[in-house]
Amino acid sequence: DADVTQTPRNRITKTGKRIMLECSQTKGHDRMYWYRQDPGLGLRLIYYSFDVKDINKGEISDGYSVSRQAQAKFSLSLESAIPNQTALYFCATSDGIGVGEQFFGPGTRLTVL
Amino acid sequence: DQQVKQNSPSLSVQEGRISILNCDYTNSMFDYFLWYKKYPAEGPTFLISISSIKDKNEDGRFTVFLNKSAKHLSLHIVPSQPGDSAVYFCAASGTSGTYKYIFGTGTRLKVLA
Repeated sequence: DADVTQTPRNRITKTGKRIMLECSQTKGHDRMYWYRQDPGLGLRLIYYSFDVKDINKGEISDGYSVSRQAQAKFSLSLESAIPNQTALYFCATSDGIGVGEQFFGPGTRLTVL
Repeated sequence: DQQVKQNSPSLSVQEGRISILNCDYTNSMFDYFLWYKKYPAEGPTFLISISSIKDKNEDGRFTVFLNKSAKHLSLHIVPSQPGDSAVYFCAASGTSGTYKYIFGTGTRLKVLA
């Protein structure tokens, strides 16, 4: 089984709808991250969390919110989706040890019409 | 302003030859650098890292070189194999301990058989 899972893997929705993307991990890591990937822009950090009670904004948090329900679960919500939120979304985890490399989920492809 | 840049969006190399992927950064406070590899429909996977106290780190066919004065790092793959065909991202982080990595835009490597 995959260490970092994301659901759904693909989602098509309409402008104005509320969407939740979910991430679960079995690696036992405290740190979790949400990124979006857009063509030509690489990976950009939306939110990150170092433990259940710690939530921090990344570089592009506007229009998004997150919830850290447990050490293993970190959800990303789009309260009112808009077309420019169409992107590939990745969840990642890290133990924060050494170089703190991150382990990524398989991604969720979100299309907002 | 992009703090981590990968100026070559794509690179093609013959199997068996060397692949060199480049990455430039602007923030002299970055002290950890990572390379990730990403296949289609999968999340990025960690490949190799280097800290600012070193100028070279090697792991099998993969070597990363860091030139701090030039704010430049490069990933060398020798010999290149068709299975190395993927998108490669470099990422950089500072000393705050947050392990908030800033990613480059990626370089698509194609290894020709």
